[in-house]
Amino acid sequence: DGGITQSPKYLFRKEGQNVTLSCEQNLNHDAMYWYRQDPGQGLRLIYYSQIVNDFQKGDIAEGYSVSREKKESFPLTVTSAQKNPTAFYLCASSRRGAQETQYFGPGTRLLVL
Amino acid sequence: QKEVEQNSGPLSVPEGAIASLNCTYSDRGSQSFFWYRQYSGKSPELIMFIYSNGDKEDGRFTAQLNKASQYVSLLIRDSQPSDSATYLCAVNMIRGSNYKLTFGKGTLLTVNP
Repeated sequence: DGGITQSPKYLFRKEGQNVTLSCEQNLNHDAMYWYRQDPGQGLRLIYYSQIVNDFQKGDIAEGYSVSREKKESFPLTVTSAQKNPTAFYLCASSRRGAQETQYFGPGTRLLVL
Repeated sequence: QKEVEQNSGPLSVPEGAIASLNCTYSDRGSQSFFWYRQYSGKSPELIMFIYSNGDKEDGRFTAQLNKASQYVSLLIRDSQPSDSATYLCAVNMIRGSNYKLTFGKGTLLTVNP
């Protein structure tokens, strides 16, 4: 089956801790994205990558970091600098191009202990 | 002006009725437009995309685009209780040499049996 997987489904973070969210896709898509969703806020772009070994900041990149070492993988690290990390994190992928559709993984819900 | 605006709802319609969801956007250069459905606690799933002015039909769903008015809508005919969800409008906007998919905050639709 082709698709996007995210793990874990739920993640708990302690104060001062860095945590990493996994995103893997087997759709052979070049572009991958990370969004954050808060209640009533819609989706906000954290980081995106159009090609391996390259990525750009989105609208709310502070407190987050990413890497893109493989086409299939785009992990997101929520650092201790992110003071309000509780949210639903969504990974998406697409082919490159202005009219390409983004497809979403099932999401990871991050909670702070 | 917000980049992509939707009425937050809730929009309540009886089963079998037509549900009309509306979205306006600020960037005249936008080229592609998407409607996603999001059930509570789940990730967004693509309903339809539209690139050209006019109507596009897919089963019970019709997307309408009017670039002159910067307006896109989604009609759901013969609404079913299973259509109850949040509907997200997304617009692909040019940002320098890249494109950014910008989401509205979503409209909550409730279909009453």
